[in-house]
Amino acid sequence: DTGVSQDPRHKITKRGQNVTFRCDPISEHNRLYWYRQTLGQGPEFLTYFQNEAQLEKSRLLSDRFSAERPKGSFSTLEIQRTEQGDSAMYLCASRPRGDTQYFGPGTRLTVL
Amino acid sequence: KQEVTQIPAALSVPEGENLVLNCSFTDSAIYNLQWFRQDPGKGLTSLLLIQSSQREQTSGRLNASLDKSSGRSTLYIAASQPGDSATYLCAVIDPPGNTGKLIFGQGTTLQVKP
Repeated sequence: DTGVSQDPRHKITKRGQNVTFRCDPISEHNRLYWYRQTLGQGPEFLTYFQNEAQLEKSRLLSDRFSAERPKGSFSTLEIQRTEQGDSAMYLCASRPRGDTQYFGPGTRLTVL
Repeated sequence: KQEVTQIPAALSVPEGENLVLNCSFTDSAIYNLQWFRQDPGKGLTSLLLIQSSQREQTSGRLNASLDKSSGRSTLYIAASQPGDSATYLCAVIDPPGNTGKLIFGQGTTLQVKP
């Protein structure tokens, strides 16, 4: 499978714990996006990487959130001191030089 | 600030019907617009991408139109099938020179009954 992959697919954690998600984009896609989707809503943009550079962060990305893309390949999204409001589907997408973004299956986070 | 709205939020139709899903956006200076399908608990699958210079795109039983001046796009599904049941999302694409991020509507959940 050469699509975008995300790991884990599901994560259940207790409030206050830290969690880290991984996204592996389609190889040679230099653009990578993270989105968050809550139940019944469309995805909302969180952050954007071009190669290893993080070029934009949404105001939704509080200080507890950090994202990296070392060497311009895979990306990680870490949430520190999770809160119940962080429960959502976290989606990763990659894009080549064209316009179409290709989405992964998402990581569903549940904070108890 | 660009805002995208989709109406209706949910739609239930009998198999075989033709249907139209609506998407509106507040800032007509969009770059491109994209329609996605999302099955429950899954990621997004791109259906159609309309360039800002285009009026419509077709793929099989799907036809998407774009009217930038009125801030509207429609997704037409012909001869609906139960397998079309899913949530359909439209998104405008941030202009070039920016990030190309997608700004989504809240989606229309479609149920096609056999």
